Amino acid sequence: GAVVSQHPSWVICKSGTSVKIECRSLDFQATTMFWYRQFPKQSLMLMATSNEGSKATYEQGVEKDKFLINHASLTLSTLTVTSAHPEDSSFYICSARDWDEAFFGQGTRLTVV
Amino acid sequence: AQSVTQLDSHVSVSEGTPVLLRCNYSSSYSPSLFWYVQHPNKGLQLLLKYTSAATLVKGINGFEAEFKKSETSFHLTKPSAHMSDAAEYFCVVSGHNYGQNFVFGPGTRLSVLP
Repeated sequence: GAVVSQHPSWVICKSGTSVKIECRSLDFQATTMFWYRQFPKQSLMLMATSNEGSKATYEQGVEKDKFLINHASLTLSTLTVTSAHPEDSSFYICSARDWDEAFFGQGTRLTVV
Repeated sequence: AQSVTQLDSHVSVSEGTPVLLRCNYSSSYSPSLFWYVQHPNKGLQLLLKYTSAATLVKGINGFEAEFKKSETSFHLTKPSAHMSDAAEYFCVVSGHNYGQNFVFGPGTRLSVLP
């Protein structure tokens, strides 16, 4: 099946710094990718829909200036958490759709100290 | 709009006994339905999917689910639980259009007792 690679798998950063997370579709082209956030013991919540060559669509309550999304090619979308704070610590997962199935990255555990 | 309800936040079974994880969905059009499993601190693994073909869907590791339109349900079952089945299970609904996202249910934590 199709593969989505997410990097890094975990990252620890200091408050106030920015962190970039990459999501790549390895063997298919994804015009649309999705970014989810998962708090401990909770479900995945959609943050934004990333569209190749255009601006991302953010869900209500998600700060677009804090969570910058760039989808510059058909195989790469990036999520940058800007000026990170401890409350941004979470598990972030990307996915890309290939026909009728979504393929998920392995997730990135972000810890802000 | 689409939504998913997983009726049990936690299910506990003994090893070797059947597993039933319940899922009900709401969709304004014909949905695609999925079950994903997530082991602790891991990513998501697809167990099975329904995309308007056969209503009884067989997945990996002995899991299966039946799509029942009249009940708007897509319950996940397994005849005999194994210790390695202990994990978080998510029922997911989506439309058939390429740009539609996947809506996750709240999840059910499955515990398997020896």
